[in-house]
Amino acid sequence: GENVEQHPSTLSVQEGDSAVIKCTYSDSASNYFPWYKQELGKGPQLIIDIRSNVGEKKDQRIAVTLNKTAKHFSLHITETQPEDSAVYFCAASKNSGNTPLVFGKGTRLSVIA
Amino acid sequence: NAGVTQTPKFQVLKTGQSMTLQCAQDMNHNSMYWYRQDPGMGLRLIYYSASEGTTDKGEVPNGYNVSRLNKREFSLRLESAAPSQTSVYFCASSEAPGHQETQYFGPGTRLLVL
Repeated sequence: GENVEQHPSTLSVQEGDSAVIKCTYSDSASNYFPWYKQELGKGPQLIIDIRSNVGEKKDQRIAVTLNKTAKHFSLHITETQPEDSAVYFCAASKNSGNTPLVFGKGTRLSVIA
Repeated sequence: NAGVTQTPKFQVLKTGQSMTLQCAQDMNHNSMYWYRQDPGMGLRLIYYSASEGTTDKGEVPNGYNVSRLNKREFSLRLESAAPSQTSVYFCASSEAPGHQETQYFGPGTRLLVL
């Protein structure tokens, strides 16, 4: 089955700097890659997703890139702010039957003011 | 809209006790999910329901049962709780069936089994 590895497990950046979180996946048939943000004491919330027919997607300060050949995808946050501090999860799935999302283990991002 | 609601927020059980975690959504979504979240393990799917009347096992279904009571409600039952089931449980829903739709998560239920 699919295996998703996520790095780093913790990341500290200064406010205003950029943050990058990387994920690799094992199943070349996977074609959907969402990113979820989980704030303390809350459930995860989708912040951006990408499908395998594109290589990059942006939404304001957040961008995701996908390299299908290398089977890895990354989340980029620019101009980080204290409210970006949270745990971020990547995930992958393939559009085959009822194959569920497989999540990475998460990255705890701390933005230091 | 309240979105996805879960009850209780926190529960302590003794080994062998049973309990049901409740989940409801008011977004008229077709699909609902139960996940568990353990430190350093990310989110793992326990069971899901693609539509009313259907349920399927996820990655870690052992020790759990589910009921899709109606379109709004999806409950998770622990028949005989074990310490290994200490975790934070999240319910989620999505508009359409399939695992490539945006999932909306509830606030979670923190369960401690002694």
